[in-house]
Amino acid sequence: GNSVTQMEGPVTLSEEAFLTINCTYTATGYPSLFWYVQYPGEGLQLLLKATKADDKGSNKGFEATYRKETTSFHLEKGSVQVSDSAVYFCALANAGGTSYGKLTFGQGTILTVHP
Amino acid sequence: SQTIHQWPATLVQPVGSPLSLECTVEGTSNPNLYWYRQAAGRGLQLLFYSVGIGQISSEVPQNLSASRPQDRQFILSSKKLLLSDSGFYLCAWSVQGFSGNTIYFGEGSWLTVV
Repeated sequence: GNSVTQMEGPVTLSEEAFLTINCTYTATGYPSLFWYVQYPGEGLQLLLKATKADDKGSNKGFEATYRKETTSFHLEKGSVQVSDSAVYFCALANAGGTSYGKLTFGQGTILTVHP
Repeated sequence: SQTIHQWPATLVQPVGSPLSLECTVEGTSNPNLYWYRQAAGRGLQLLFYSVGIGQISSEVPQNLSASRPQDRQFILSSKKLLLSDSGFYLCAWSVQGFSGNTIYFGEGSWLTVV
């Protein structure tokens, strides 16, 4: 079946440090890939997405590239801010069949950024 | 623009009591609707999804049920809550058709079963 594996956290960084959160997936067909962010006490917000191989999603300084050859969708940001502290979820949406469009999530990675 | 609302935001319920969480979507028609649960220290798990009125698919066997009485209304229910039902419940919607369509989440409902 489909699965998403994220690097285990928590991740603690100083402000302006470089961030990488690894995400790899297993899926049949050609899924779409997403990063969602959950700020404390809130629901999930879409951060970025990519719908086909080699696509790069970007938003708020975050980037992730859909790598089909390595089945990865790693999240990166060149310079994190305290306000980026949140839980980050990698997810895929199945394509086709009875599971069409539903999200399979990774376990989430807690990011804490200190001033 | 489209919006999604769910309520109540927080509730504390005794074991064995019933549950009803409601979710409504505005600004769109015929959406896919979803209920996810986030248990403490875990990722999100899809509980139910619906592609139309009265059409409910369950992803995991559990003590919960879902209903879709109207196009943009999705209800999560239980007749008798268990301690293991505690968690953060998220309603979500997406446009039907393409698997790359973004899934939009509500604010979430915190359920504590005591």
